Amino acid sequence: DAEITQSPRHKITETGRQVTLACHQTWNHNNMFWYRQDLGHGLRLIHYSYGVQDTNKGEVSDGYSVSRSNTEDLPLTLESAASSQTSVYFCASSWAGLNEQFFGPGTRLTVL
Amino acid sequence: GENVEQHPSTLSVQEGDSAVIKCTYSDSASNYFPWYKQELGKGPQLIIDIRSNVGEKKDQRIAVTLNKTAKHFSLHITETQPEDSAVYFCAASGNDMRFGAGTRLTVKP
Repeated sequence: DAEITQSPRHKITETGRQVTLACHQTWNHNNMFWYRQDLGHGLRLIHYSYGVQDTNKGEVSDGYSVSRSNTEDLPLTLESAASSQTSVYFCASSWAGLNEQFFGPGTRLTVL
Repeated sequence: GENVEQHPSTLSVQEGDSAVIKCTYSDSASNYFPWYKQELGKGPQLIIDIRSNVGEKKDQRIAVTLNKTAKHFSLHITETQPEDSAVYFCAASGNDMRFGAGTRLTVKP
């Protein structure tokens, strides 16, 4: 069955370290998204991609970067982790256009 | 950019009662309005969506209404069951998707 996976599921890191969160989908979806979820804020869009080599900044992109070298993967990199980036991160994917987004199980990141 | 407000933040109902969650949005260009349910420890999952050319959509016990003039849309759950207990998010999408802050629904048996 097609799915979307995230790894790792839990990560603890130190301030200033570079961290990469992986997202992999097997639906062959054009669109992929990264969100962070914090209490009281719902889901906030970090970066998104509408296809290979396409990346766009979302609402809260500072301190994060993504790259899309193939259809299946959109890794999220925290260049220099900060305590304010402690959060739960969700990856999602969808077909082109405005359609249902399928979410991964999330990665809980703690920056000490 | 788009701004989505969602109310209430928490909602407690008795099993069998109805639950209503309301959202407003700011960008008149938004034309896709999904609702997601998130259970503890899982990612959000779509339960129903509506597009701007439709005023109401129903799927069994769940219905969504959209008022484009007033820029608000609502989720209605009838005959609530304990398994409906979860966090519900509304969203509005034009150029990108913006989510409301969420409503924690508790259905008491």
